[in-house]
Amino acid sequence: AQSVTQPDIHITVSEGASLELRCNYSYGATPYLFWYVQSPGQGLQLLLKYFSGDTLVQGIKGFEAEFKRSQSSFNLRKPSVHWSDAAEYFCAVGERGGGFKTIFGAGTRLFVKA
Amino acid sequence: DAGVIQSPRHEVTEMGQEVTLRCKPISGHNSLFWYRQTMMRGLELLIYFNNNVPIDDSGMPEDRFSAKMPNASFSTLKIQPSEPRDSAVYFCASTQGQNYGYTFGSGTRLTVV
Repeated sequence: AQSVTQPDIHITVSEGASLELRCNYSYGATPYLFWYVQSPGQGLQLLLKYFSGDTLVQGIKGFEAEFKRSQSSFNLRKPSVHWSDAAEYFCAVGERGGGFKTIFGAGTRLFVKA
Repeated sequence: DAGVIQSPRHEVTEMGQEVTLRCKPISGHNSLFWYRQTMMRGLELLIYFNNNVPIDDSGMPEDRFSAKMPNASFSTLKIQPSEPRDSAVYFCASTQGQNYGYTFGSGTRLTVV
């Protein structure tokens, strides 16, 4: 069964600084990989996704993520964080073929300081 | 498109009462998912449907929980009887295919007192 690990429960960065959120997954093959963002009181919003091809994927709001098969990782990055990026971020892994089940990590809460 | 619509946004009920949560997926999306979010357990998949048919309900915690999808535009999650430990935010999500990712509703915050 697939699983997702987000090692950091929370991270604090200064506005304008770069950001990297870590995600490791366990799956028998190359899974579908996603990053979602959740603002307080809201549902989750898809930031970006990876299925195949170029291992560096671009998403909305200036985010990008890199799939590294050798490390079973899919880390999320942003070169310059804005105060509005403060939210909770979820990495997720989805099954390939047949089922549409997606398993979410525990989330990383991002705090942005001025 | 109005997105995935969930109702009510907030529900406060007494222990033992029946609770029904509702979801309208995005038109054209053929898969629908119910998730529960708590601080302790994070996001848990409860059940999902493909083309209105329940595919996997292994995440439904107990027989007190049931879900239906009578047509492509409506689904319900029912808890009967409700208990305080059911207090959580319940999300509905839909998708037109795994490679599209999910679109989530705004959730229903359930409080059972």
